[in-house]
Parts: sequence; C-alpha cells; structure tokens
Amino acid sequence: SQQGEEDPQALSIQEGENATMNCSYKTSINNLQWYRQNSGRGLVHLILIRSNEREKHSGRLRVTLDTSKKSSSLLITASRAADTASYFCATAGHTPLVFGKGTRLSVIA
Amino acid sequence: GAGVSQSPSNKVTEKGKDVELRCDPISGHTALYWYRQSLGQGLEFLIYFQGNSAPDKSGLPSDRFSAERTGGSVSTLTIQRTQQEDSAVYLCASSLNSGQGFYEQYFGPGTRLTVT
Repeated sequence: SQQGEEDPQALSIQEGENATMNCSYKTSINNLQWYRQNSGRGLVHLILIRSNEREKHSGRLRVTLDTSKKSSSLLITASRAADTASYFCATAGHTPLVFGKGTRLSVIA
Repeated sequence: GAGVSQSPSNKVTEKGKDVELRCDPISGHTALYWYRQSLGQGLEFLIYFQGNSAPDKSGLPSDRFSAERTGGSVSTLTIQRTQQEDSAVYLCASSLNSGQGFYEQYFGPGTRLTVT
C-alpha cells in the first residue's frame, strides 16, 4: 500500500513557534497532499505538491517532498491557536487518495 | 458556491437496522468518494465513483455496505444490518475529473453514525 504515515502522532507547541510534521509513504506517487481537520469532521485541503516538485509554499505553510526517501514534511510557521487541528498527508498514484492517521497539533496560547 | 453537503449530520440507530447516508457533491465534480473515520483514527477509503465508470468498491469492508450514485450527482451509502463496529463518522468528498487523486478533494461535514 502507499499509505502515508505521519510523525509525530501528537505535537504540542506554544503560539508563535513553528510546527513540523512529517509523512512517509511506501510506493511511487503522482502527488502528495496535506489536509487539516478540525473537531473530527470535514477535512480541508491545504496544499498539493507534485512528484516533480521539491518544495512549495502557501502563506505560513511550507511543504517539502523527497521522492528518493519517500517522505514529505509540513512546516507551519508562527503558529496560532487556530492552527490547532489534526493534519493528514494523503498520497495519490494509481489508486484513490490514501490517507495517513494524522498528526494532532495543539497550539497553546 | 455551495460545498459538499451530507445528511443527516448525526444518526443513531439500533443494531441490525439499515441506514442510508446521503452526499450532495459540488456541482460539476465528476469524482465522488466515501470514507469512514473511527474516533481518533485516519480515513478509511470505502468507495469512489468517477463519471459513468464502474465504481471502485475495493474499500468496502463487507457486503453489508453498498453505495450508488444517481445521475452522476447525489450519492447514497447504505449499510444493512448495522453492527456496533460500524459506528464512525462517514465522510464524503468530491473532486474534479480523475479519481486517482490528481486533484484536491472537497469534503463534506460528515455523518456521525452511532449504532447502539
């Protein structure tokens, strides 16, 4: 399976600090996507990085992709209390998106 | 514009009963997905529809689960003879075109199913 696995499972930081979450996967991919989920309900798409890209930015988010290591990282800079959520990576290839179990981020004000 | 909507938002049912969960995707999105998420867990893929192609049912956990998509739009997920282990949040998502994840998915708010 090409399931993404996030690391760490949980992360607690102070407001203003940076948060880094990692994702590893097993097989070749077309792209990798990061999603955020608040309160255990619907997910919101954050960013998509294609297999031929190495880094992508969107506001306070920075995503890297290393296809040789089959890994990705999501960096949230200058975190805010509102960033408290679960973050999932999802890999896309020859099958529908496969989601990992997520990283639970808590940002303490 | 309107996002993905799901109904009901919450459903409590007795073990052994059948339930139907509904999903209205974003207009124009040809791909539709169903996922299941147990408490504190990741998303478990159930089924996806892509245009008029045969659905990919590879994620359905048992033959008690089925889904249909009428007219390429609204989808209904049916669980027959519900069991307590079916309790979860059922999430629907839609996307443009390809079901291979080449596009971002837009998620509905989910239906929380509780089987007593």
